[in-house]
Amino acid sequence: DAGVTQSPTHLIKTRGQQVTLRCSPKSGHDTVSWYQQALGQGPQFIFQYYEEEERQRGNFPDRFSGHQFPNYSSELNVNALLLGDSALYLCASSFIGLRGREQYFGPGTRLTVT
Amino acid sequence: DQQVKQNSPSLSVQEGRISILNCDYTNSMFDYFLWYKKYPAEGPTFLISISSIKDKNEDGRFTVFLNKSAKHLSLHIVPSQPGDSAVYFCAASVEGAQKLVFGQGTRLTINP
Repeated sequence: DAGVTQSPTHLIKTRGQQVTLRCSPKSGHDTVSWYQQALGQGPQFIFQYYEEEERQRGNFPDRFSGHQFPNYSSELNVNALLLGDSALYLCASSFIGLRGREQYFGPGTRLTVT
Repeated sequence: DQQVKQNSPSLSVQEGRISILNCDYTNSMFDYFLWYKKYPAEGPTFLISISSIKDKNEDGRFTVFLNKSAKHLSLHIVPSQPGDSAVYFCAASVEGAQKLVFGQGTRLTINP
């Protein structure tokens, strides 16, 4: 039973560029959430996708956007990268039928903006 | 506005003893609480959760206690093992709002 997978593992981008991160949820899960974890901090909620729609959004600017595909996988896009976007980006999946209260995380993508 | 706080950045415990990690919250709407463990270069791993209708939940060596009046929860690990050395995050959520709100984490070190 595959858990949550994310790609790529690491990424280095230049300020102003755009980046796309990918996530495949755990088998049987239909909801994907994205979190940003800065060094020494807890993960911060970016947004959540269910039935290919953004269901809830945290306090992140519109430069952060996402998408969910019919197979429940998801992408996180960040435009006009800033140095402050350097962080670990975590994807978490859950099953809406269990009210999605328990979320299971992938290994994350480490994004470095130079 | 830090709604979930873990006031101890680090904790050191001897192998075999009890580890107690603490977490405080301010939002009285939180009704579900979770603990995650995180190793370097890995994502957080779900450990144990508790609903606000309970005050205790146990799973093997891990027990979570919830004190709603004090808005405080704690994770007890007994006995502590070297493999328990990691960063522990508590998280909370509100019914109907699927996002998890995390604390800053506590680094637990188990000494042999």
